[in-house]
Amino acid sequence: DTGVSQDPRHKITKRGQNVTFRCDPISEHNRLYWYRQTLGQGPEFLTYFQNEAQLEKSRLLSDRFSAERPKGSFSTLEIQRTEQGDSAMYLCASSSRMNAEAFFGQGTRLTVV
Amino acid sequence: AQTVTQSQPEMSVQEAETVTLSCTYDTSESNYYLFWYKQPPSRQMILVIRQEAYKQQNATENRFSVNFQKAAKSFSLKISDSQLGDTAMYFCAFIYSGGGADGLTFGKGTHLIIQP
Repeated sequence: DTGVSQDPRHKITKRGQNVTFRCDPISEHNRLYWYRQTLGQGPEFLTYFQNEAQLEKSRLLSDRFSAERPKGSFSTLEIQRTEQGDSAMYLCASSSRMNAEAFFGQGTRLTVV
Repeated sequence: AQTVTQSQPEMSVQEAETVTLSCTYDTSESNYYLFWYKQPPSRQMILVIRQEAYKQQNATENRFSVNFQKAAKSFSLKISDSQLGDTAMYFCAFIYSGGGADGLTFGKGTHLIIQP
């Protein structure tokens, strides 16, 4: 296992378009997190899955954002009707148990033009 | 809600020197975990060191150690014998031990530059 992988690494999209990102966690990890990181800031929590169940969503996650984790394996994060303010690095992390070390992917950098 | 504050946006030291990065946090909880994560340029974030709040002994990992002052809500990171590869953003992070559903709360980070 090579760790948490995210695809794509970079995405440029026009305002108003929909985008979808994928995260493949470490295979034995049942916890999966999505974070958003803007320039000069630390990552901010977006949402959390335990297996296939989405247990928590930040108020940062507007109705235009949706995340899924079918079968408790990979996860997708979709942003509909993108806005320039959505431009950020989207990070995925996974862990094996509560409060264990979180392993991060390299992130997907989204630019909305 | 908890907050994490890193008051040093950027620090620069010479190779082989010792450097200390500061972090303070605010919480009403007594059981939690604290972390320092390193984010090298264009690379993924990796864990440097972790501290359980119920442990009085400060965590150490090779050249990295922390000074955890629970009453003062302070959690500083000391890097000894700094190396060029230590150049990165460093983030202090917090999570409640009672539930990880809210994920980690991060500070804004400190950009550490190790000069040759």
